[in-house]
Amino acid sequence: QVQLQESGPGLVKASQTLSLTCTVSGDSIRSETYYWTWIRQHPGMGLEWIGYIYNSGSTYYNPSLKSRITISVDTSKNQFSLKLNSVTAADTAVYYCASARRCITACPSPLFYGLDVWGQGTTVTVSS
Amino acid sequence: SYELNQPPSVSVSPGQTASITCSGDRLGNKYASWYQQKPGQSPVLVTYQDTKRPSGIPERFSGSKSGSTATLTISGTQVMDEADYYCLAWDTIAVFGGGTKLTVL
Repeated sequence: QVQLQESGPGLVKASQTLSLTCTVSGDSIRSETYYWTWIRQHPGMGLEWIGYIYNSGSTYYNPSLKSRITISVDTSKNQFSLKLNSVTAADTAVYYCASARRCITACPSPLFYGLDVWGQGTTVTVSS
Repeated sequence: SYELNQPPSVSVSPGQTASITCSGDRLGNKYASWYQQKPGQSPVLVTYQDTKRPSGIPERFSGSKSGSTATLTISGTQVMDEADYYCLAWDTIAVFGGGTKLTVL
């Protein structure tokens, strides 16, 4: 069973870049089995899908954030990461990494098997 | 943009059945999954592909779908089931419903 753990600074200054890492254990980040995903939750609010990476480099982003985000993989550390640039107070949130098993053939959606593993979440506050 | 609509809150007495709905345009053509989130914790997948339950999830949790409405049903609701519940579906991107706070009292 895959396990995920987020890490990164809890405080970022406005206009700077938020950088978070998710360490994967229990399987290889190179595995073609998963969509490695980022999700965030604003304080007291619902969940927002940020994007995912798979096959060590293919990405798909939420269009509302696409111009500011990069998701990448570090195979040497078995990690994937999120960079969100030009942050504002609106980016203050709990950030979760999660994994979804890929459906390889005749897939009706990338989330056919749901987001079945989540990290514990990390709180990021953007300060002015 | 695509939206999934959930009631903000649902209340149920212990031992009774709770039903939480999620409605969206063309949801009948998509697969829904449901997530339970307790205060201060990460979400947990409780159903996927509309009706399937991951291993380790109690049998009292079940999912269904009729037309454009997916429903999470909790039979014999327990106090420990008090949580926020979110539906999720894919429509060019992953879209979460706004969440439903389930109160068990």
